[in-house]
Amino acid sequence: DTEVTQTPKHLVMGMTNKKSLKCEQHMGHRAMYWYKQKAKKPPELMFVYSYEKLSINESVPSRFSPECPNSSLLNLHLHALQPEDSALYLCASSQESNQETQYFGPGTRLLVL
Amino acid sequence: QKEVEQNSGPLSVPEGAIASLNCTYSDRGSQSFFWYRQYSGKSPELIMFIYSNGDKEDGRFTAQLNKASQYVSLLIRDSQPSDSATYLCAVNAGGFKTIFGAGTRLFVKA
Repeated sequence: DTEVTQTPKHLVMGMTNKKSLKCEQHMGHRAMYWYKQKAKKPPELMFVYSYEKLSINESVPSRFSPECPNSSLLNLHLHALQPEDSALYLCASSQESNQETQYFGPGTRLLVL
Repeated sequence: QKEVEQNSGPLSVPEGAIASLNCTYSDRGSQSFFWYRQYSGKSPELIMFIYSNGDKEDGRFTAQLNKASQYVSLLIRDSQPSDSATYLCAVNAGGFKTIFGAGTRLFVKA
């Protein structure tokens, strides 16, 4: 089973709202990732967690706050977003983080008004 | 700056033909290479991965890697309209990061 789940599938929020994106995997993977993808662009890495510790923050603005409550769950807390943050947010996981195949969830389509 | 380059396309092939997708990468130390398929509005789906020089076949798909030329390709035999999608080449140069190319749009004409 190579399933990564994400909720919600779609999210519309105002610039003053606080919302969270959720990601879950039950493959025993120890690395989890958040990517942002704009239309007709490749996924851009935002954060990497390895063994529940934040390993990479790609200079993401603080209005995005990741959290890894346990090895199966990954959250992305959103606050005071801008319209340009509208994108497809993808979660991925891999067995380890070093050169392993990443499996993507279906994504959350976010629209910031 | 580590880069992965792909022709954006669109690459148009007739049904039943071979589609050839190409990718070059800049980091000579890269070790792992991936091809993902992405349908419009969907998330990337892993098609193939390859670590060693040469060819790797899986059904209608063949990945080819040439580390000396820093080149990786994906061949799709007997192309079907359902293969129409954007194909992302991804390269891991070690550690946590996988670098994605901008993708090649493939259109298979029925």
